[in-house]
Amino acid sequence: GAVVSQHPSWVICKSGTSVKIECRSLDFQATTMFWYRQFPKQSLMLMATSNEGSKATYEQGVEKDKFLINHASLTLSTLTVTSAHPEDSSFYICSAPLRLADEQFFGPGTRLTVL
Amino acid sequence: DAKTTQPTSMDCAEGRAANLPCNHSTISGNEYVYWYRQIHSQGPQYIIHGLKNNETNEMASLIITEDRKSSTLILPHATLRDTAVYYCIAIGGNAGNMLTFGGGTRLMVKP
Repeated sequence: GAVVSQHPSWVICKSGTSVKIECRSLDFQATTMFWYRQFPKQSLMLMATSNEGSKATYEQGVEKDKFLINHASLTLSTLTVTSAHPEDSSFYICSAPLRLADEQFFGPGTRLTVL
Repeated sequence: DAKTTQPTSMDCAEGRAANLPCNHSTISGNEYVYWYRQIHSQGPQYIIHGLKNNETNEMASLIITEDRKSSTLILPHATLRDTAVYYCIAIGGNAGNMLTFGGGTRLMVKP
């Protein structure tokens, strides 16, 4: 199957730091990618839809100025958590469909810990 | 997308079949049933999907009732590595649309 990677796998930072998470489709192109957040023992919650060449679409309650998304190429989407605070500590996961009618492939996730 | 209901948790003995039910009573005619699973601290993994016919692949079988209001994911010979949270999702024909995850079923395979 198609492969989606994320970098870094785990990041620990101080409060107030901005953290960038990369999501790459390694062997296919993705015009659309999705960003999810998962708190401990909870399900995944969609944060935003990343669209190549255009602005991301954010879910209700997700601050677009806090979580900056850039989908600059067909294989890379980045999520930047600006001025991170301890409550932003979570597991961030991206996904991309191989084709619009296919199942989605998920990255391995990035664990963010804000001290 | 139709709402799905799954049991919170299930246990299964290693080597036995694991049958995971899912209710999707409000599913519409063009919505597929997708199953994903998430092993602890990893990204979700696609398992199988179907519309109205039963489906089988190397990982599992999917049985969909004739009225499509419920389905069952079957892992024929569960192993310890199948311990995970299993998510049943009903979505429109375009799976490239966003996925809305419910609580899922936490399957514990025991030796």
